[in-house]
Amino acid sequence: SAVISQKPSRDICQRGTSLTIQCQVDSQVTMMFWYRQQPGQSLTLIATANQGSEATYESGFVIDKFPISRPNLTFSTLTVSNMSPEDSSIYLCSVGPYRLQTDEAFFGQGTRLTVV
Amino acid sequence: GENVEQHPSTLSVQEGDSAVIKCTYSDSASNYFPWYKQELGKGPQLIIDIRSNVGEKKDQRIAVTLNKTAKHFSLHITETQPEDSAVYFCAADSGSTLGRLYFGRGTQLTVWP
Repeated sequence: SAVISQKPSRDICQRGTSLTIQCQVDSQVTMMFWYRQQPGQSLTLIATANQGSEATYESGFVIDKFPISRPNLTFSTLTVSNMSPEDSSIYLCSVGPYRLQTDEAFFGQGTRLTVV
Repeated sequence: GENVEQHPSTLSVQEGDSAVIKCTYSDSASNYFPWYKQELGKGPQLIIDIRSNVGEKKDQRIAVTLNKTAKHFSLHITETQPEDSAVYFCAADSGSTLGRLYFGRGTQLTVWP
């Protein structure tokens, strides 16, 4: 399976500030995704990180709030901007397809964000 | 887009018993159905998956069945152990974007010793 390093693993931030989360994969992947998991909830896709172009955002998520970078095929960042307590969640990076596999999606360990 | 429903939301079983979690999906274009296990403080881990050209797949104590006509799939865990306690998520692919998944709401499985 993919080795995905996500940093930081957790953080406590003041409201109004921004946090950038990094996702590094040990092999080139076509697709990278960012999900949000609110407390006790399922995973909701924020956006697809496209290499060399703007990210594709899902309904309810906007670039000003969640800017994403994808400078190459192994790395992406998600920024949570102007944070409020409602942004307290686990943020997860996911990749797929990985190497020769066509469907599997793998996840990083997640970033547990608490906004105070 | 795809809509994935998952039941039950919580499941408690005695060690050694079987556990079954069921999911339905709406998009007939979906072809890939993974199951993830998420332990506290960790990211989801892929435990088993099934593709639409297969009706059943087994890996030791874990099995998944798929009924594509009825658009439902199930996870079966036999001889449950306390370390199976976790949240389990089913998912379905988008049918168009490789790697993009739609998730069920999760099942909190508790296995009592």
